[in-house]
Amino acid sequence: KAGVTQTPRYLIKTRGQQVTLSCSPISGHRSVSWYQQTPGQGLQFLFEYFSETQRNKGNFPGRFSGRQFSNSRSEMNVSTLELGDSALYLCASSLESAEETQYFGPGTRLLVL
Amino acid sequence: GQSLEQPSEVTAVEGAIVQINCTYQTSGFYGLSWYQQHDGGAPTFLSYNALDGLEETGRFSSFLSRSDSYGYLLLQELQMKDSASYFCAVSHSTSGTYKYIFGTGTRLKVLA
Repeated sequence: KAGVTQTPRYLIKTRGQQVTLSCSPISGHRSVSWYQQTPGQGLQFLFEYFSETQRNKGNFPGRFSGRQFSNSRSEMNVSTLELGDSALYLCASSLESAEETQYFGPGTRLLVL
Repeated sequence: GQSLEQPSEVTAVEGAIVQINCTYQTSGFYGLSWYQQHDGGAPTFLSYNALDGLEETGRFSSFLSRSDSYGYLLLQELQMKDSASYFCAVSHSTSGTYKYIFGTGTRLKVLA
């Protein structure tokens, strides 16, 4: 089975712009979670989608949003980018029957200038 | 609220044994997971403990004590390739919703 894929892998944006990141989960996985990783902060949970519905949301401002499509692929969008949004954005998918095991994609490294 | 604590850095020599501790505070606890992340790589799942006790997978073992809200990852026969960051993660349920929280990670340095 193919692993979790994320596109693009690297992105450079300027303040005020918006960005859309994409994640394709492992086939058969309907849960997709998004995390922001910055040095010293670990993985901060953004949100989780299951069957096109947002099930959980972390403590991030409304500039961060996401969605999931019927094929379980997910996108996250960040509007009005700030310098502090520079980070590695990871998505992870899991089986409904084994949500404790998350399979991560390689991440999208976003740099905001 | 929910919180996890783990040491920021641990150093050990090749061939040694190292233990990375994780204490947590959460309601609706389900289980404790461990992930490994090499620099520039994605986190990869190592183990999951839902019940008290020790789970062994090759050179890696993970332990959980629910009564103490504590767990650890034990790495034996350390190899240079084990140099990485290790994250503990708690799965818990709040208001019927399953959630997952990661610790800030422990950077393990293995010295020759």
